[in-house]
Amino acid sequence: LAKTTQPISMDSYEGQEVNITCSHNNIATNDYITWYQQFPSQGPRFIIQGYKTKVTNEVASLFIPADRKSSTLSLPRVSLSDTAVYYCLVGPNQGGKLIFGQGTELSVKP
Amino acid sequence: GAGVSQSPSNKVTEKGKDVELRCDPISGHTALYWYRQRLGQGLEFLIYFQGNSAPDKSGLPSDRFSAERTGESVSTLTIQRTQQEDSAVYLCASSPRGGGARDTQYFGPGTRLTVL
Repeated sequence: LAKTTQPISMDSYEGQEVNITCSHNNIATNDYITWYQQFPSQGPRFIIQGYKTKVTNEVASLFIPADRKSSTLSLPRVSLSDTAVYYCLVGPNQGGKLIFGQGTELSVKP
Repeated sequence: GAGVSQSPSNKVTEKGKDVELRCDPISGHTALYWYRQRLGQGLEFLIYFQGNSAPDKSGLPSDRFSAERTGESVSTLTIQRTQQEDSAVYLCASSPRGGGARDTQYFGPGTRLTVL
């Protein structure tokens, strides 16, 4: 399973765009990149997933460069309710467990 | 529809006692996971069940920990002779297909275990 590295914490202000970058230098050809969000006292929930280039949904965008050794989760115009821990996971398409790292604790301030 | 449920939501026990934690996955989900999350820490994988295959127990921290799953339904995580370092939130997740990165995991609310 590919190891991921992401910042432990980040601070932002309401209305700003937040970009959280995850490094995964040993990503395999059949690995996908998935991001989860965890609010305090809740289990994580899926945000977005991608393989290459750019993916966008109603919550976030995910940018993946051609070499796929990193990925960036982009949250547009964050609000206080986006304060959470964000986890980057890398793993194969089919089967098996995923490894959640320490995650990035995002704090959005007024 | 109903999500993943876990019981109890909170459990306080004395050191040395056994505890059982229950997880009811989303109906029809073939994969089920257990994680442990200590205060302020990330999720620590414990065990993974997929259909009728042998479970992946590689994350269980000691032989005091065990888990069972009946078919594709309820799962029980048992911790024997609890220690204070077992205090954590235990999270269960299920996913509809075979697991892996493309198979979204749906998490329950967790069981907060406190060992005195």
